[in-house]
Amino acid sequence: DQQVKQNSPSLSVQEGRISILNCDYTNSMFDYFLWYKKYPAEGPTFLISISSIKDKNEDGRFTVFLNKSAKHLSLHIVPSQPGDSAVYFCAASAYSGAGSYQLTFGKGTKLSVIP
Amino acid sequence: DADVTQTPRNRITKTGKRIMLECSQTKGHDRMYWYRQDPGLGLRLIYYSFDVKDINKGEISDGYSVSRQAQAKFSLSLESAIPNQTALYFCATGEGGNTEAFFGQGTRLTVV
Repeated sequence: DQQVKQNSPSLSVQEGRISILNCDYTNSMFDYFLWYKKYPAEGPTFLISISSIKDKNEDGRFTVFLNKSAKHLSLHIVPSQPGDSAVYFCAASAYSGAGSYQLTFGKGTKLSVIP
Repeated sequence: DADVTQTPRNRITKTGKRIMLECSQTKGHDRMYWYRQDPGLGLRLIYYSFDVKDINKGEISDGYSVSRQAQAKFSLSLESAIPNQTALYFCATGEGGNTEAFFGQGTRLTVV
C-alpha cells in the first residue's frame, strides 16, 4: 500500500512558466514533508520541507503548500528554468517509535523545462 | 569531497556472488540509511542504523544484510546476488528527528 503518491510520472513546462508538482499521502501520522530533487547519476538532494503545523513554506523560487484536510501537498516552482529539469521526489516523515522517524518516498515526477 | 561517499559507483556481478557496497560519511551524523531505487518505484528503505549498536530492517530487507563498522561507515551486503536486485542503491545520513536526509551519489548494481 503506497502511502505517498505522486500520480504524475512526468511533467513538461515552458521556461519561465510555473511548474506544479503534486503529492498525496494516506498516513495521517505523517507530520513533516520534504521535496528532493534528483539529477541523473547523482543522489537526491534536499530542496524544501514543511511541517504539518504550517500550510506554506517558501524558499526563493520554490514554494511548498500543504493541505492537511485533503492530505495533499504541492511544490510550485516559479519561474521554471531549464536547470530545474530533474526528477522530484516527495517524502513524508512519521514517528516510528524509540525516538526514530522514517522517511517514506513517492515514486517521483520527472520535470522537463523546455527552453 | 562529498559528505556521503559510496563505493563502488558501478558494479556488474554474477548471480550467486556475494557483493558489498560501502558508504562513508563526514557529516558526523549518527543515523545512516540504505535505500534502493527502481524505475517507477521511487526510493525504498532497505536498512537503517541509529548508531553503531543499532541496526533496523526497512521495508525491503530480505536478501540484504548490513554492518555498521563505525559511526562514519555503513556497508550493505548481498550474500547471494540475484537479478532482481539490479537497481540503483543510495546511502544516506541524517541527524534524526524531523530533518532531511543527505544522500550519496549512488551505486548502480547490475546482477547478470
